Amino acid sequence: QSVLTQPPSASGTPGQRVTISCSGSSSNIGSSAVNWYQQLPGTAPKVLIYSNNERPSGVPDRISGSKSGSSASLAISGLQSEDEAVYYCATWDDNLNGVIFGGGTKLTVL
Amino acid sequence: QVQLQESGPGLVKPSETLSLTCTFSGGSISGYYWTWIRQIPGKGLEWIGFIYYTGSSNYNPSLKSRVTMSLDPSKKQFSLRLSSVTAADTAVYYCARGYSSSGLDYLYYMDVWGKGTTVTVS
Repeated sequence: QSVLTQPPSASGTPGQRVTISCSGSSSNIGSSAVNWYQQLPGTAPKVLIYSNNERPSGVPDRISGSKSGSSASLAISGLQSEDEAVYYCATWDDNLNGVIFGGGTKLTVL
Repeated sequence: QVQLQESGPGLVKPSETLSLTCTFSGGSISGYYWTWIRQIPGKGLEWIGFIYYTGSSNYNPSLKSRVTMSLDPSKKQFSLRLSSVTAADTAVYYCARGYSSSGLDYLYYMDVWGKGTTVTVS
């Protein structure tokens, strides 16, 4: 059971907007920046959002992140078939003194 | 462009030590946290720990008693050793470059990942 809670699945049709939530506590999300990783089938994770809402170069602006208190969310608008992947939130945890991940959310494009 | 590549045995016997090496290219060792993460088949991601470019390290408490990481700047390599392995250590092991900064929120994230290597304990 992960310290960060994500829904196991999410879905949407092409062009739709979907959001994925990530819930934590004061010792992790409440005090550290949240990052989101995308893992396409059979590949290594890739950072999608870092520092709550920053996009690395090459990540389209239809992908955004936000954080409020001890929760965070990832939003993908203009959904495309290539967005079908597993998405993980992650942050630093003061109790663990290390990195923790959410359990992952499998996004299906219908 | 920074690239990371894991290498090491794909099969390890129970009770033995798993040893992996990550070779990086295209960047500097300085200022980064050289990190190991694993993914048990069909499951999520687990942070194993990191070794800072200065040589200091930080391990996941659940694995700390069995983990040792080292860094060889001259070869641009860092390594993971996990002792007394069991079937529960069967996983895909990733190396990654970690970046950290302190601000209003403490930031730590992995910005470059290797492709991963599968290790089976059997």
